[in-house]
Amino acid sequence: QKEVEQDPGPLSVPEGAIVSLNCTYSNSAFQYFMWYRQYSRKGPELLMYTYSSGNKEDGRFTAQVDKSSKYISLFIRDSQPSDSATYLCASPPGSNTGKLIFGQGTTLQVKP
Amino acid sequence: KAGVTQTPRYLIKTRGQQVTLSCSPISGHRSVSWYQQTPGQGLQFLFEYFSETQRNKGNFPGRFSGRQFSNSRSEMNVSTLELGDSALYLCASSSGTGNSPLHFGNGTRLTVT
Repeated sequence: QKEVEQDPGPLSVPEGAIVSLNCTYSNSAFQYFMWYRQYSRKGPELLMYTYSSGNKEDGRFTAQVDKSSKYISLFIRDSQPSDSATYLCASPPGSNTGKLIFGQGTTLQVKP
Repeated sequence: KAGVTQTPRYLIKTRGQQVTLSCSPISGHRSVSWYQQTPGQGLQFLFEYFSETQRNKGNFPGRFSGRQFSNSRSEMNVSTLELGDSALYLCASSSGTGNSPLHFGNGTRLTVT
C-alpha cells in the first residue's frame, strides 16, 4: 500500500464547475500537506500548504485536511481551462527534510 | 527572485554512459532535493543535500549520486545508465529548516537509448 493514495483520473469537467481532488494517507507521522500543480513539460508548482485540520482558502482554491480520517482535499471553484493540469498531493514524513511523499497525481481537464 | 534552474532541459544518452545534471536553487535556500518522475512510479525522492552534506536518501541504487557546493548549487550523477533511468529528473530547493515548502525547477528530461 502506498503511503499516499490519489486517484489518477483523468477527471474532465466543464468550465465553471467545482472540482474536488482527494488523497488519503496511511502514515500518522504526516503532519503537513501540500498541493502542487504540474503543467505539461513543467515542474510542480506549489499551490497550497497546510498543517492543521480544517480548511485553508486562497482565491479559488480551498485545501481541506481531516487528520482523523487521514483524508485531504483540494477544491477548485469556478474552474477555468487554465486549471487543466496534474494535481499532486504530498507530505513530508518528518521535519527538517526535503523528502516528500507524493500521491500519483490526478490529471484534470477543464473543457471550455 | 529567480526560481530553481535546472540544466540541461533535455538529454539523450546511450545505455552504459554516465550523465551529470545541474541545479541552481533559489537564492538563500540551503536545501536541494532531487526527484525522479516516471509515468509508472510518479515522483520518487532520490536524495537531499543541506549545507553540502547529504541529509536524506531515497531507495535508489548507488549509481545515483549527488553533491552540493558551497554556493548551494547541486549536481546529480547517474553512472552506467540503464533504459529504465529514462525519466524527468526534478530538483527542488527550500530553506531546509522546519517544514519549509519545496520549490521545484522544470526538470531535465533524460532519455536513455
